[in-house]
Amino acid sequence: DVKVTQSSRYLVKRTGEKVFLECVQDMDHENMFWYRQDPGLGLRLIYFSYDVKMKEKGDIPEGYSVSREKKERFSLILESASTNQTSMYLCASSFGDWPEKLFFGSGTQLSVL
Amino acid sequence: GIQVEQSPPDLILQEGANSTLRCNFSDSVNNLQWFHQNPWGQLINLFYIPSGTKQNGRLSATTVATERYSLLYISSSQTTDSGVYFCAVDTGANNLFFGTGTRLTVIP
Repeated sequence: DVKVTQSSRYLVKRTGEKVFLECVQDMDHENMFWYRQDPGLGLRLIYFSYDVKMKEKGDIPEGYSVSREKKERFSLILESASTNQTSMYLCASSFGDWPEKLFFGSGTQLSVL
Repeated sequence: GIQVEQSPPDLILQEGANSTLRCNFSDSVNNLQWFHQNPWGQLINLFYIPSGTKQNGRLSATTVATERYSLLYISSSQTTDSGVYFCAVDTGANNLFFGTGTRLTVIP
């Protein structure tokens, strides 16, 4: 089975801190994605990557950056965390040429105080 | 951008009942997927179904791309089916747009 692992289930940070969310997949997938999920707004795409060192902006990239130095790892970075970035963050991956089935990690609930 | 509407927003079923969830979308798509998010937040991919019909155990899905809708059928529902069901579509922008989901509660 595909395994997408997010480093933390719950995270509490202070306003202004730099925050790193890590995601690792074990199935050699080319494509990796970061979504955030908010009540009433559903899932929204922040960034995605279709290859090492490649990245594309999603629908809501402002305030975020990403890093993909290795194929299996995709990091989401909040340069200066703000309270409106309190959310559930979900990482996902898929194989090969898009479109393909998407597999999700279990999520990181981030609270910014 | 594309609009994805799911209905009903909430559904309560007695264990053993059947149900149909609907996903309408406003534009042509080349990718449609159904997901189940369990009460612990984990999203599980149920179907990749841009067109046609697929079945997996008690679940089946049908997408009529020309009519711009997809249906998810759950038969003989169980309490473990509870959670939120999402459909998500892609118009070719290498991006899945998610609906706002149907929250299903199955009571024993």
